[in-house]
Amino acid sequence: GAGVSQSPSNKVTEKGKDVELRCDPISGHTALYWYRQSLGQGLEFLIYFQGNSAPDKSGLPSDRFSAERTGGSVSTLTIQRTQQEDSAVYLCASSMRQAGANVLTFGAGSRLTVL
Amino acid sequence: AQTVTQSQPEMSVQEAETVTLSCTYDTSESDYYLFWYKQPPSRQMILVIRQEAYKQQNATENRFSVNFQKAAKSFSLKISDSQLGDAAMYFCAYRSADDYKLSFGAGTTVTVRA
Repeated sequence: GAGVSQSPSNKVTEKGKDVELRCDPISGHTALYWYRQSLGQGLEFLIYFQGNSAPDKSGLPSDRFSAERTGGSVSTLTIQRTQQEDSAVYLCASSMRQAGANVLTFGAGSRLTVL
Repeated sequence: AQTVTQSQPEMSVQEAETVTLSCTYDTSESDYYLFWYKQPPSRQMILVIRQEAYKQQNATENRFSVNFQKAAKSFSLKISDSQLGDAAMYFCAYRSADDYKLSFGAGTTVTVRA
């Protein structure tokens, strides 16, 4: 597609429920990132995918968080047994290469509210 | 780990005036990239400007320019002739040349007064 697409745009859920957030990167972009943006704060790195390499999961805050990327394209971020502190905007970004001067293109994010 | 600091949570500017946003970073690397991203209420992060550390010349994109001081590890953004559409949150970001992670500052909210 022309840009990075994320769904849902907004999600309200009850504490303890599982949620799935989807990211559809720009076609041809091999690198995909998930970031979390809590209210009034900067972006916190969660996970990184590059081609068929093992993902860098070092930013995932707990084992309730997981992500996968199928076929080197669409990615799903899953949060199990959601807690109120999980409320944030989850941003996905993609780029053509993993390093150098490449620029990340971001989606509009998924705002998660846990009641 | 690299730290990016934006010391101004909020800035206000009169339309057509100039505003400067500050950013400092901490790194032991010599080769890296610095970015300013804009996030309007739509949440879509948009790249404003990019600077390569090995280039001494300050980057410029139309009304946006940076003052890159490598020795001081400072990377400020100047918005000239401010427009109402410039109102947004601005994030400074750092990436090492051989890394893929972007480290972000906490952001500065810019308000433009008509």
